Amino acid sequence: GAVVSQHPSWVICKSGTSVKIECRSLDFQATTMFWYRQFPKQSLMLMATSNEGSKATYEQGVEKDKFLINHASLTLSTLTVTSAHPEDSSFYICSAEDVLAFEAFFGQGTRLTVV
Amino acid sequence: TQLLEQSPQFLSIQEGENLTVYCNSSSVFSSLQWYRQEPGEGPVLLVTVVTGGEVKKLKRLTFQFGDARKDSSLHITAAQPGDTGLYLCAFAGGTSYGKLTFGQGTILTVHP
Repeated sequence: GAVVSQHPSWVICKSGTSVKIECRSLDFQATTMFWYRQFPKQSLMLMATSNEGSKATYEQGVEKDKFLINHASLTLSTLTVTSAHPEDSSFYICSAEDVLAFEAFFGQGTRLTVV
Repeated sequence: TQLLEQSPQFLSIQEGENLTVYCNSSSVFSSLQWYRQEPGEGPVLLVTVVTGGEVKKLKRLTFQFGDARKDSSLHITAAQPGDTGLYLCAFAGGTSYGKLTFGQGTILTVHP
């Protein structure tokens, strides 16, 4: 199947700093990507839809100024967690939509720990 | 309110046992998807069920979509420790394949 690469796999940052997570579709173009958050032993919750060349669409309750999304090319979306706090510690997972395969493929996730 | 009610949330069984995970809703879906996720990784699609009453088999896994397309089940026969993981049902919203709403998930542990 198609490959979606997420980087980094894990990151530890200090409270108040910003962290950027990258999501790349390696063998297909993705005009639409998605960002999810997952807390321990819980399910995935959609945070936002990342649209190439336009603004992201955020789910209710997700602060767009805190979780900045940029989708500047057909293979790359980035999520920047600004002014991170310990409560932002979570597993962040992206997916990329492959319209030719009628399927979205997930990255391997990024474990963010804010200390 | 959860659109997809998944049960049980936790399942701990011995190797060789059978198990069933349920995904229920009051809504009708054009399709439902089942994923398996291992710790520290992203979910991997197991199957998509589309037709009411449909049964799909993937080795020891059997997936069923309810006749009314409101519910689905995953049955595992003779579970193995390698089946351990988080099982998730999900549906795609609107015309997008990737905008997924997930059930709460079932954490399955299979003991040798």
